[in-house]
Amino acid sequence: GAVVSQHPSWVICKSGTSVKIECRSLDFQATTMFWYRQFPKQSLMLMATSNEGSKATYEQGVEKDKFLINHASLTLSTLTVTSAHPEDSSFYICSATAAGEGLTDTQYFGPGTRLTVL
Amino acid sequence: AQSVSQHNHHVILSEAASLELGCNYSYGGTVNLFWYVQYPGQHLQLLLKYFSGDPLVKGIKGFEAEFIKSKFSFNLRKPSVQWSDTAEYFCAVNRGNQGGKLIFGQGTELSVKP
Repeated sequence: GAVVSQHPSWVICKSGTSVKIECRSLDFQATTMFWYRQFPKQSLMLMATSNEGSKATYEQGVEKDKFLINHASLTLSTLTVTSAHPEDSSFYICSATAAGEGLTDTQYFGPGTRLTVL
Repeated sequence: AQSVSQHNHHVILSEAASLELGCNYSYGGTVNLFWYVQYPGQHLQLLLKYFSGDPLVKGIKGFEAEFIKSKFSFNLRKPSVQWSDTAEYFCAVNRGNQGGKLIFGQGTELSVKP
């Protein structure tokens, strides 16, 4: 149980285009979803926290107009990288926490999406 | 600045050797502590977690971790590693009042030689 999927697993785009990444909780309802960014050989950096039906909360230094997050349902959150540039190339990972006793605060991670901006 | 620190960037061990990976955090107050593992090409998986109670926590695959509050530490241990334990290990901290927000350490790459 507690499986999180991401789509696509990798994407290559031209500079200036926008890219949408989906994060889905497959077998549970996600009260909260998180978006992380991971650079090679580095740790995960939290970008934003989103709750279903609410505006996302962005971490300091993360441009909310560039990284648009929508959490339209309890099983789906999307991250849109707008007007992508080469410096946005990275590994984007989502995670989700589930409602229910013993599950709160344990995050279940998706497999990540490799974004390469040319 | 408040942070999570993992002491070792890369650890190389032979099979059957014992493992201890250090993790220290600098937050005061109530914390929840986690160790995640990322096998090559795979997503992060939860190894174990500590919320409260017995400070010695047992996880999957023979791993355990000990929470020492006075040292702000949550070190990961395994008595005898296997080649299949080769992976990246991340310590993470969630402050009890932060709605699940995780702060990760830098990660430790473990290479186990067969």
